[in-house]
Amino acid sequence: RKEVEQDPGPFNVPEGATVAFNCTYSNSASQSFFWYRQDCRKEPKLLMSVYSSGNEDGRFTAQLNRASQYISLLIRDSKLSDSATYLCVVNDQNYGGSQGNLIFGKGTKLSVKP
Amino acid sequence: EPEVTQTPSHQVTQMGQEVILRCVPISNHLYFYWYRQILGQKVEFLVSFYNNEISEKSEIFDDQFSVERPDGSNFTLKIRSTKLEDSAMYFCASSEGEKGEAFFGQGTRLTVV
Repeated sequence: RKEVEQDPGPFNVPEGATVAFNCTYSNSASQSFFWYRQDCRKEPKLLMSVYSSGNEDGRFTAQLNRASQYISLLIRDSKLSDSATYLCVVNDQNYGGSQGNLIFGKGTKLSVKP
Repeated sequence: EPEVTQTPSHQVTQMGQEVILRCVPISNHLYFYWYRQILGQKVEFLVSFYNNEISEKSEIFDDQFSVERPDGSNFTLKIRSTKLEDSAMYFCASSEGEKGEAFFGQGTRLTVV
């Protein structure tokens, strides 16, 4: 069974803090990796794709370790508006095949306090 | 900014009734998906659609479910005979490529009573 595992949290942090989320995935054939954020009762919104070399988008940094099948997200200088559930998402790749559908983790809840 | 739109935002239906959930994917996207999220649980894949046919479906997507692209813009999910356990948020998504980033609609909350 292909799974994506995340610490559910909640992570309660003060404004300005740095917070890191981790995720592991079971399908070693997966080729695409993403972080989405989801606000309560809303749709998942793409935060960023995760590339092998690691990538940064403003205050957000994502890392991928294919050998360990591990993905991370670092948020620096947390804002109140960062409060949401962060979803680790991996594509459901089959060896020799192509697949675009996504496997979602349960998400890690972040609450940023004033 | 282009977006995926879904209607209705909320649908209440009686058990055993048929429902059709509608989606308009982003116009230049070629891959379309339906996902669902039961309250408090993770987002689950239902079906993917490309070139006017289903390309992959999960074990959730049984004979009660069907998808259709009736015209050049709409993408629909039909549940033939709804069950209580079909109550969930249903998200439509689309992507430009098969491994590309998927963009989600705002969802249809289906409540089966």
